[in-house]
Amino acid sequence: EAQVTQNPRYLITVTGKKLTVTCSQNMNHEYMSWYRQDPGLGLRQIYYSMNVEVTDKGDVPEGYKVSRKEKRNFPLILESPSPNQTSLYFCASGPGLAVLYTGELFFGEGSRLTVL
Amino acid sequence: SQQGEEDPQALSIQEGENATMNCSYKTSINNLQWYRQNSGRGLVHLILIRSNEREKHSGRLRVTLDTSKKSSSLLITASRAADTASYFCATTYNNNDMRFGAGTRLTVKP
Repeated sequence: EAQVTQNPRYLITVTGKKLTVTCSQNMNHEYMSWYRQDPGLGLRQIYYSMNVEVTDKGDVPEGYKVSRKEKRNFPLILESPSPNQTSLYFCASGPGLAVLYTGELFFGEGSRLTVL
Repeated sequence: SQQGEEDPQALSIQEGENATMNCSYKTSINNLQWYRQNSGRGLVHLILIRSNEREKHSGRLRVTLDTSKKSSSLLITASRAADTASYFCATTYNNNDMRFGAGTRLTVKP
């Protein structure tokens, strides 16, 4: 089954404790992206990647890191989480540049993160 | 930010009625898409309309695009309780990435 898998789905952590949210897709997609969703603000892009070893900042990259060492994985790293990073996070993937024209992004089920 | 803005923020209708949601954006786009999100779940792609298209249909969905007004509308006909969800428009511009709006929360009452 074609899917985007995120882990963990729920996490409560404390300020400053490094954490990683994993994202994996099994569709051989070149394009992957991370979004955060906050009430009234919709989805805001954090980082995206057009292919292996190619990553770019989105609208709200501060406080986050990503890496793309393999095509299927795109982990989101919070080196020193703060309470303002409490949010619902989504990973998405699409078939390379074609995603800009076909538009079909595939989303994971989300990771709800709370930073105390 | 270049993201689209949906209007209204929330919409409540009776089953069987039509639901119309609007999206406005600020710069020239390559295409515009609509996504659906059930509460707390991932987004699901509904339909894409390219900048040179004016109208598209998919089942009970009808999307229009007016590039002169920089706006799009999503019409859901004969709505059902199962259509209750949030709907987002996403714009692609400068052959770059996609940006999402804040969404319209649709409630369809049985």
